Amino acid sequence: DTAVSQTPKYLVTQMGNDKSIKCEQNLGHDTMYWYKQDSKKFLKIMFSYNNKELIINETVPNRFSPKSPDKAHLNLHINSLELGDSAVYFCASSQSGGRYEQYFGPGTRLTVT
Amino acid sequence: GENVEQHPSTLSVQEGDSAVIKCTYSDSASNYFPWYKQELGKRPQLIIDIRSNVGEKKDQRIAVTLNKTAKHFSLHITETQPEDSAVYFCAAQGGGADGLTFGKGTHLIIQP
Repeated sequence: DTAVSQTPKYLVTQMGNDKSIKCEQNLGHDTMYWYKQDSKKFLKIMFSYNNKELIINETVPNRFSPKSPDKAHLNLHINSLELGDSAVYFCASSQSGGRYEQYFGPGTRLTVT
Repeated sequence: GENVEQHPSTLSVQEGDSAVIKCTYSDSASNYFPWYKQELGKRPQLIIDIRSNVGEKKDQRIAVTLNKTAKHFSLHITETQPEDSAVYFCAAQGGGADGLTFGKGTHLIIQP
């Protein structure tokens, strides 16, 4: 009965490739997020999304794009991967409106060679 | 946008002593302040949170205080135990669908 799940757990790929990370939540939340945690452990918001709006952190390259087939899923697509994209990517979800606990997925460790 | 500063980056305390981690934020519109604990290789997990209409909140050995005027909030852990060793992150969030803005984390080390 995992609350927020991500696949794959590990992803190793070469520069220039396109890859996707999947995220699913079974909590009934309608807001989902993607965070990036770099090698220094800094956690940074990339996207927040609910059925009304997509908020994109202005520092995120447009090679990254979220795709939501339904309220329970928010996938992350990355085009033309670069070495600097290597990081752990966390999906999270919460009730809408802010001020609610965000539940994190287990993370996907992406390594670009 | 929001900016959250967190100090110290590393904190070493003797088992049984108290630990205090401090954060400041810049956006006066932020109204939700959670604290997350992250163990090595694991996901961040919420340990306590506070909303802007409250000045202090306590849950067993953990407490958080918020000073909205000064825009700072702190985490207090009493009677520290070895299992408290981890990286702790503070965060701030406004309303709507904004994500969390995290501090850079504090590596808490509990010395036996």
